[in-house]
Amino acid sequence: EPEVTQTPSHQVTQMGQEVILRCVPISNHLYFYWYRQILGQKVEFLVSFYNNEISEKSEIFDDQFSVERPDGSNFTLKIRSTKLEDSAMYFCASSPREGVKAFFGQGTRLTVV
Amino acid sequence: AQKVTQAQTEISVVEKEDVTLDCVYETRDTTYYLFWYKQPPSGELVFLIRRNSFDEQNEISGRYSWNFQKSTSSFNFTITASQVVDSAVYFCALSESTQGGSEKLVFGKGTKLTVNP
Repeated sequence: EPEVTQTPSHQVTQMGQEVILRCVPISNHLYFYWYRQILGQKVEFLVSFYNNEISEKSEIFDDQFSVERPDGSNFTLKIRSTKLEDSAMYFCASSPREGVKAFFGQGTRLTVV
Repeated sequence: AQKVTQAQTEISVVEKEDVTLDCVYETRDTTYYLFWYKQPPSGELVFLIRRNSFDEQNEISGRYSWNFQKSTSSFNFTITASQVVDSAVYFCALSESTQGGSEKLVFGKGTKLTVNP
């Protein structure tokens, strides 16, 4: 069964550094999402992406965050200058079309030290 | 705004007991979807079920069953004859349609289930 793949599974970065989290959505999917889960808390929506642009973003998704689909297969989340509070599990998801459930990747655990 | 409430923060049961995880939601949408996900200690989100707001039939899948009651805005999840492998955090979620057609999920805070041998 096709799956959403996220790399790396765990990344440690120093505060203030830029980090890029990578996701390979399922082929032919059109809608892409990033969610975040701070340790021990609920999963929170960050951003949705469709037709090469952001369709919605949450309050969490401030100017430090950006998303990109650079080559038609990868979907990346960049955090420009990481803060300690960015430490979390980041989930990528994709869905083939409107109204169809999204498939989640296994997550990338980001630790900012 | 959409909201999902899982009032039970933690539940502990002994193996073979039945356990019900509660989920109450709020939405103004007439069409929406409800979900349950399982998050084992390894951290990934395991999809369990997606239910359309127009389909109020209860669903059973093996030891898992779901009770959707629109009148009380609840979508409860029951595990029958629980097993140690059921130990995980379980999240209830509600879809929210957005401009542009994407569908974002609003999650509850989760219920941590511990099944003891």
